[in-house]
Amino acid sequence: IAGITQAPTSQILAAGRRMTLRCTQDMRHNAMYWYRQDLGLGLRLIHYSNTAGTTGKGEVPDGYSVSRANTDDFPLTLASAVPSQTSVYFCASSDGGPTDTQYFGPGTRLTVL
Amino acid sequence: GQNIDQPTEMTATEGAIVQINCTYQTSGFNGLFWYQQHAGEAPTFLSYNVLDGLEEKGRFSSFLSRSKGYSYLLLKELQMKDSASYLCAVRDSNYQLIWGAGTKLIIKP
Repeated sequence: IAGITQAPTSQILAAGRRMTLRCTQDMRHNAMYWYRQDLGLGLRLIHYSNTAGTTGKGEVPDGYSVSRANTDDFPLTLASAVPSQTSVYFCASSDGGPTDTQYFGPGTRLTVL
Repeated sequence: GQNIDQPTEMTATEGAIVQINCTYQTSGFNGLFWYQQHAGEAPTFLSYNVLDGLEEKGRFSSFLSRSKGYSYLLLKELQMKDSASYLCAVRDSNYQLIWGAGTKLIIKP
């Protein structure tokens, strides 16, 4: 593994189903983030974690939950998917340096029917 | 509310220079980022400004004026591979990134 990986790459899901998007990083970054990206809108923060064991809500947290059991993994769960959650989901981590730059995973394209 | 404004789309010619503007209104300011995003791919980091002035990095430069709430990304000697979306993001007082919708840059031969 090099950087951030996400799984699955894409998924089609029936409304009402539960779904977990996986995110793993090997850079030992403390902070991790989940964003959604929709056409015509900027990236919107769903949840974040500043360090293992802690999580926080972003701009659009409703319908999503996260956990951070260790430094490397930051899964995002949709408890009961709805069509408005159709989006591209990006996981990111930041290096905590002077600029605290965020680095992104390849994304998961999720369609909820 | 917080707001980041960028043009939706720009077109430029291969070999030319293009300037992509970004204006922002945020609660606090702790740095401004530019990212490049090719279609179907993840955003990748280009530049960071926290002080006023110009930061140069090869063919790409980024400028910041905090008093005007304004930044631009300057791309020189445009290449076809520069066709992408360019995202402006500001870190606010809560230390969260607020993102613009991005500028789609189309390069024509």
